[in-house]
Amino acid sequence: KQEVTQIPAALSVPEGENLVLNCSFTDSAIYNLQWFRQDPGKGLTSLLLIQSSQREQTSGRLNASLDKSSGRSTLYIAASQPGDSATYLCAVMGTSYDKVIFGPGTSLSVIP
Amino acid sequence: DVKVTQSSRYLVKRTGEKVFLECVQDMDHENMFWYRQDPGLGLRLIYFSYDVKMKEKGDIPEGYSVSREKKERFSLILESASTNQTSMYLCASSSGTGGDTQYFGPGTRLTVL
Repeated sequence: KQEVTQIPAALSVPEGENLVLNCSFTDSAIYNLQWFRQDPGKGLTSLLLIQSSQREQTSGRLNASLDKSSGRSTLYIAASQPGDSATYLCAVMGTSYDKVIFGPGTSLSVIP
Repeated sequence: DVKVTQSSRYLVKRTGEKVFLECVQDMDHENMFWYRQDPGLGLRLIYFSYDVKMKEKGDIPEGYSVSREKKERFSLILESASTNQTSMYLCASSSGTGGDTQYFGPGTRLTVL
């Protein structure tokens, strides 16, 4: 059974710092991996989607990498801003592509 | 832009009431999903649907049922609400091509007293 974990559970950094969020999954037979952002009391917004054949995806200050063999993904945020404060979740889609397993999330706080 | 809307942002119901949560998407997506999100437990899949009148159980279907009479609308039903169903409920949709991202609604915070 696929399990997804995220480290750290919470992170507080000063504005301007570069940071890395980590995601691990136990079953490497995945279809894709996504990173989402969730603001307090709101729904999820998709940030990046990496197909299983890809190694990384970039969008603005965000870069996500995928290493299927080791069961890991990282989300790199460059030059963090207070507006980046949110919970970041990674989600793995298995080969029965309709089932998505979410990690518990990392709560990020960027201090001005 | 894809838009997924949920009928209520906040809902308060009493134990034993029948509760309907509605979700509508405007992108002609085949797949629709209902999750609940609880602190420390993350997002858990309740039910999903591949097509109109189709439904599949997720990881925690007990105490819930669903209805999909039209492609754009997916309803979650709590037949007899209980306090342990107090939670944030999130609806999502995705295209049927496989591997597409899921688009989420804003969520419904349900409190059962």
